[in-house]
Amino acid sequence: GAGVSQSPSNKVTEKGKDVELRCDPISGHTALYWYRQSLGQGLEFLIYFQGNSAPDKSGLPSDRFSAERTGGSVSTLTIQRTQQEDSAVYLCASSYNQRTDTQYFGPGTRLTVL
Amino acid sequence: AQSVTQLGSHVSVSEGALVLLRCNYSSSVPPYLFWYVQYPNQGLQLLLKYTSAATLVKGINGFEAEFKKSETSFHLTKPSAHMSDAAEYFCAVNTGGFKTIFGAGTRLFVKA
Repeated sequence: GAGVSQSPSNKVTEKGKDVELRCDPISGHTALYWYRQSLGQGLEFLIYFQGNSAPDKSGLPSDRFSAERTGGSVSTLTIQRTQQEDSAVYLCASSYNQRTDTQYFGPGTRLTVL
Repeated sequence: AQSVTQLGSHVSVSEGALVLLRCNYSSSVPPYLFWYVQYPNQGLQLLLKYTSAATLVKGINGFEAEFKKSETSFHLTKPSAHMSDAAEYFCAVNTGGFKTIFGAGTRLFVKA
C-alpha cells in the first residue's frame, strides 16, 4: 500500500516568507508526528496528533511554527516569517494508536531559507 | 525526563567485522526502545524495537539489540558488516504518551 507522502520534496524560500509543508499519512493511521532533522542534530520532535485529541505541541520551537490536521488525515506544518535557522529536513511520520507501534516516515521536505 | 545518548556520531568498520552502535537512555519508568535506520536518500525505517518482552531483540538485516536495564543501554550489533549496512542509525525511547525521543544518530561507514 501507499506509504507516507510529503510535499514539496524541496522548498527554497527567502527569509521572512511563510511556508507550508504537507503530509499525507498512511490510511488508517490515527497518530501523526512532525520532526525536524538538522545536520548533526538528530530528529527533533515538533508536534504530535492523535485522532481527535488536542495535539501535543510541546516541541514547537517558537510561535512562528504551527500545524493542523484536517479530518484526521492530511496535516500541514506552517512556518511563518522563516529564518535561516529554520533550514532543515522536515519529516512526517504516522502510526497506529499505540506507544509501541512502528512509526512510518515520509521522505521529508528539505527547506532552505536564504 | 526521557533522553537518549548515542555514543559516537561516526563509526567505521571493515566489511565482515562486528558492528556495535551504542545507545544509552534515561528514563524513570520502563521504556520502549527503538532503532531506526536511514539509508542514503531514503526515509527512516524501523530496524527493531523492545517492548518489554524478550530483552534480546532481533531485527531486519541481521541486526539485534539487547536491553540491559542495569546499564540503561540498548546497543545495536551485527556480527558481520556488509557494505549495504552503510547508513545512519537512530536510537529512540518512549516512556509514556506518544512522544518518542530520538538520539542524534550514528553514521556507519563500511570499508571494503
